[in-house]
Amino acid sequence: QSVLTQPPSVSGAPGQRVTISCTGSSSNIGAGYDVHWYQQLPGTAPKLLIYGSNNRPSGVPDRFSGSKSGTSASLAITGLQAEDEADYYCQSYDSLSDVVFGGGTKLTVL
Amino acid sequence: QVQLVESGGGVVQPGGSLRLSCAASRFTFSNYGMHWVRQAPGKGLEWVAVISYDGNNKYYADSVKGRFTISRDNSKNTLYLQMNSLRAEDTAVYYCAKVSQGSYWYEGNFDYWGQGTLVTVSS
Repeated sequence: QSVLTQPPSVSGAPGQRVTISCTGSSSNIGAGYDVHWYQQLPGTAPKLLIYGSNNRPSGVPDRFSGSKSGTSASLAITGLQAEDEADYYCQSYDSLSDVVFGGGTKLTVL
Repeated sequence: QVQLVESGGGVVQPGGSLRLSCAASRFTFSNYGMHWVRQAPGKGLEWVAVISYDGNNKYYADSVKGRFTISRDNSKNTLYLQMNSLRAEDTAVYYCAKVSQGSYWYEGNFDYWGQGTLVTVSS
């Protein structure tokens, strides 16, 4: 059972918009700690996608965006492309458990 | 471009030991906190341990506390994970990860990851 809760799977057609939620608690996201998102393509290491809740590293398309409110955060992907099919993980810091990850969400592009 | 290269994985019997290494290059290694993160086959990411930039502070996940030891040699730009009393549930790909500039060394926000090294605990 992960400290941060994500839906196991989401899907969307090319060109559509999808969102992935990440629900935490008062000891992590709700305490004001940043949320970071990672994309993991099959057979590869995770890649930083969003940091500080809503910032994109250089090279990440602006189709990807993040937000945070209360004890939850979300990753939004617009203009869905086949290459976006991957696993997505949220990550934060928890005052009781140190670094915590969500269980991961598998994105399927239909 | 930052490089992190893990090594030392392999097959080990339950109760055995293994030491993983992570060779870092193309950044000032001694300025950054470093973490180990693992991923069991077909499962999600699990944080394992963190060490501060100077090696003076270390924290561990409850699942490995007392069995694993994280360390670093800043003169060799290398991060280590000594794993003792290994169990079947420790079977995973182990990644080393660098903390992004501007983030607290213990909080995460990993801007670079190694390619991972597979540890299999089996008799």
